[in-house]
Amino acid sequence: QSVLTQPPSVSAAPGQKVTISCSGSSSNIGNNYVSWYQQLPGTAPKLLIYDNNKRPSGIPDRFSGSKSGTSATLGITGLQTGDEADYYCGTWDSSLSAGEVVFGGGTKLTVL
Amino acid sequence: QLQLQESGSGLVKPSQTLSLTCAVSGGSISSGGYSWSWIRQPPGKGLEWIGYIYHSGSTYYNPSLKSRVTISVDRSKNQFSLKLSSVTAADTAVYYCARAPTVTNWFDPWGQGTLVTVSS
Repeated sequence: QSVLTQPPSVSAAPGQKVTISCSGSSSNIGNNYVSWYQQLPGTAPKLLIYDNNKRPSGIPDRFSGSKSGTSATLGITGLQTGDEADYYCGTWDSSLSAGEVVFGGGTKLTVL
Repeated sequence: QLQLQESGSGLVKPSQTLSLTCAVSGGSISSGGYSWSWIRQPPGKGLEWIGYIYHSGSTYYNPSLKSRVTISVDRSKNQFSLKLSSVTAADTAVYYCARAPTVTNWFDPWGQGTLVTVSS
């Protein structure tokens, strides 16, 4: 099991909004920045959000990130069929004496 | 624009050592300010961080893989490498290399990935 918990799947219609949650603990999300990645079928992950809510250049403002306590959320508005992908959250986890980068199990977004 | 490209053996026998290289273009590993990571993804599963290296050669590994992992850097060739020893079928995965700014843990960009299968 992943240290960070994401719903296995979410779905919504084109044009609608969807949110993807990422739940952790004080040893990871609670005390570290969260990043989000989009993985289109058959391709490498692509950075969508870093430092909880910042977008790299070229990422449309339809994508947003937020964090509250030990959970983070990715929001996507104006859904397009091209947004169908797997989405992963990531952060640092310090529960062990030696920390590590951890990822959520991924959420498959279906645009109906 | 920075680009990363993985290369190496796509088929490794059980108990042997997996070896991969990530060639960096459009930027220099030696310029500093970044860590260089390996991340893997078993077929149909999620992402697992393996470890990273700084241009200085300092390394940091996933505790669960630490005993089997070595990441090294070749500044003259502008590339870094992964060795994973004593592989089993559980190490079958797509292996990605990626860059992260120092003191952060977000990865951008990523290489396209290379599939490594462990099988006799």
